[in-house]
Amino acid sequence: DTGVSQDPRHKITKRGQNVTFRCDPISEHNRLYWYRQTLGQGPEFLTYFQNEAQLEKSRLLSDRFSAERPKGSFSTLEIQRTEQGDSAMYLCASSYEGGRTDTQYFGPGTRLTVL
Amino acid sequence: QQQVKQSPQSLIVQKGGISIINCAYENTAFDYFPWYQQFPGKGPALLIAIRPDVSEKKEGRFTISFNKSAKQFSLHIMDSQPGDSATYFCAASFGGNTPLVFGKGTRLSVIA
Repeated sequence: DTGVSQDPRHKITKRGQNVTFRCDPISEHNRLYWYRQTLGQGPEFLTYFQNEAQLEKSRLLSDRFSAERPKGSFSTLEIQRTEQGDSAMYLCASSYEGGRTDTQYFGPGTRLTVL
Repeated sequence: QQQVKQSPQSLIVQKGGISIINCAYENTAFDYFPWYQQFPGKGPALLIAIRPDVSEKKEGRFTISFNKSAKQFSLHIMDSQPGDSATYFCAASFGGNTPLVFGKGTRLSVIA
């Protein structure tokens, strides 16, 4: 299967610790997106990339959050000094800009629990 | 400010019935409107999407109806099945390959 993959699937951490998540997009996709989803809510946009360039960051993304896509392939999302309010599902999606479809394909997500 | 409002929050439909979920948007610059289906523990998966140049799009049992003047669009699931039980999200964006703005979701339960 060549869909979007995310690692880890689950992460439990203590408040104040740093965590890093990885996303591997569909191989030919040049756009990669990060969203956050809390229980009972729709996904909220965090940031997205075109190849290695970060195109936009949401105002939701505090200075404790940083994302990169160093070679235009996989991406990492790091959260420093985690807070209990960071507990959520972190979703990655990818798409191909310049193709025939506009579909964003989502990965299974990384569920973060901050104790 | 919620840019995409979705209703109802939850919906129970008999097997074989029609499920209808509604969304309203505020920004008239939105030009791509997808519906996603999400099962517990999974990421959202695209069901069907529409652009404002058409008023209706049908794919199998799923139909989107789009009303540009009212800034509303809806998802109709015909012949609803228990396997359709999931959470459905409407979304909108400025073109498909830009960040999506999601509604809060509708939890659909199809009962036999």
